[in-house]
Amino acid sequence: NAGVTQTPKFQVLKTGQSMTLQCAQDMNHNSMYWYRQDPGMGLRLIYYSASEGTTDKGEVPNGYNVSRLNKREFSLRLESAAPSQTSVYFCASSTGAYYGYTFGSGTRLTVV
Amino acid sequence: KQEVTQIPAALSVPEGENLVLNCSFTDSAIYNLQWFRQDPGKGLTSLLLIQSSQREQTSGRLNASLDKSSGRSTLYIAASQPGDSATYLCAVFNNQGGKLIFGQGTELSVKP
Repeated sequence: NAGVTQTPKFQVLKTGQSMTLQCAQDMNHNSMYWYRQDPGMGLRLIYYSASEGTTDKGEVPNGYNVSRLNKREFSLRLESAAPSQTSVYFCASSTGAYYGYTFGSGTRLTVV
Repeated sequence: KQEVTQIPAALSVPEGENLVLNCSFTDSAIYNLQWFRQDPGKGLTSLLLIQSSQREQTSGRLNASLDKSSGRSTLYIAASQPGDSATYLCAVFNNQGGKLIFGQGTELSVKP
């Protein structure tokens, strides 16, 4: 099925470890986004990529880096994980605002 | 700064009832508004997308309206079913900044 694929689905990290969350879309969308979802805080934008080769900070970028590897793939890296980064991470893509967003199924990350 | 509010935060209704979920936003300069459904532990599924020039969109038992000037949208669910139980999120795409901004959602429970 066409859509947004995120890996892994679950991950437990120790404080200070690093990891990369992967996201790929097969809908030929130009724009891709990373959100985190926390209880009581809703979904907040971490980083986004309006087109291949560009990335921009969102609302909560601290502690994260991103790479738009090509048009299909947009990865999110945690260099030194902290317990405050325990969250559910969602990747999304869009071909343009007019057509709305499509979301992946999420990555549940726990940092202990 | 755009803020999106959803009321109520939680709603419990008996099966068969018609119900309305509310979404309000502070800045009327939006490009469109999107309603999503999120099942527990799952990703976001797009339900309806309303462009700023439109007044409503319908899909099956769902009808979403948009009053941009007053900063309000409603999601009407007809003849509710237990399978409708989920969290419903609204999100606006701002003209400025080009980002999707979410409300915190309404958790709906439909009792058999």
